[in-house]
Amino acid sequence: SQQGEEDPQALSIQEGENATMNCSYKTSINNLQWYRQNSGRGLVHLILIRSNEREKHSGRLRVTLDTSKKSSSLLITASRAADTASYFCATDDDRGSTLGRLYFGRGTQLTVWP
Amino acid sequence: DAMVIQNPRYQVTQFGKPVTLSCSQTLNHNVMYWYQQKSSQAPKLLFHYYDKDFNNEADTPDNFQSRRPNTSFCFLDIRSPGLGDAAMYLCATVRGVGGYNEQFFGPGTRLTVL
Repeated sequence: SQQGEEDPQALSIQEGENATMNCSYKTSINNLQWYRQNSGRGLVHLILIRSNEREKHSGRLRVTLDTSKKSSSLLITASRAADTASYFCATDDDRGSTLGRLYFGRGTQLTVWP
Repeated sequence: DAMVIQNPRYQVTQFGKPVTLSCSQTLNHNVMYWYQQKSSQAPKLLFHYYDKDFNNEADTPDNFQSRRPNTSFCFLDIRSPGLGDAAMYLCATVRGVGGYNEQFFGPGTRLTVL
């Protein structure tokens, strides 16, 4: 299975600190995406990084991708209480990803304390 | 502006009583997905449509059916809900194919089976 695995499963930090979450996957990919899910809500797309990219930024988010290690990291800088959520990585696979099928990991539950 | 809408947000049904969840989208995306997500788990793809072409995941139980009468609407029918079907059901859409684009999720329907 291509399903990604996030690490750690849970992360608890203070406001202002940086939060780093990691994702590993198994097969070659075309792209990797990160999503956020507030409790009891749907997923919201954060950022997409293509297999030929190594790093991407969006506001306070920084994503890296190491295809040789089949891993990615999501860094949230200067975290806020409102960043409290679950964060999921999702990958396609490069076998002609049928209809945009994504494989999600179990997520990292981030708690940011005021 | 709401882009992917799911109704109802909360659904309570009795064991064995059929239930239908609905999803609508204003994005005119040709691909729609239904996911099942249980607590602290990854979203699990049940099936997806490319236009009217239906694609079932191999491990989706026969108890789950879907209909897509037009581009905007997609329904998930659970014919005889069991206690194990209690979960969050997420609808998502994507433009195009190939896994290169973000998926847009609705807020989800939380299903409780009594």
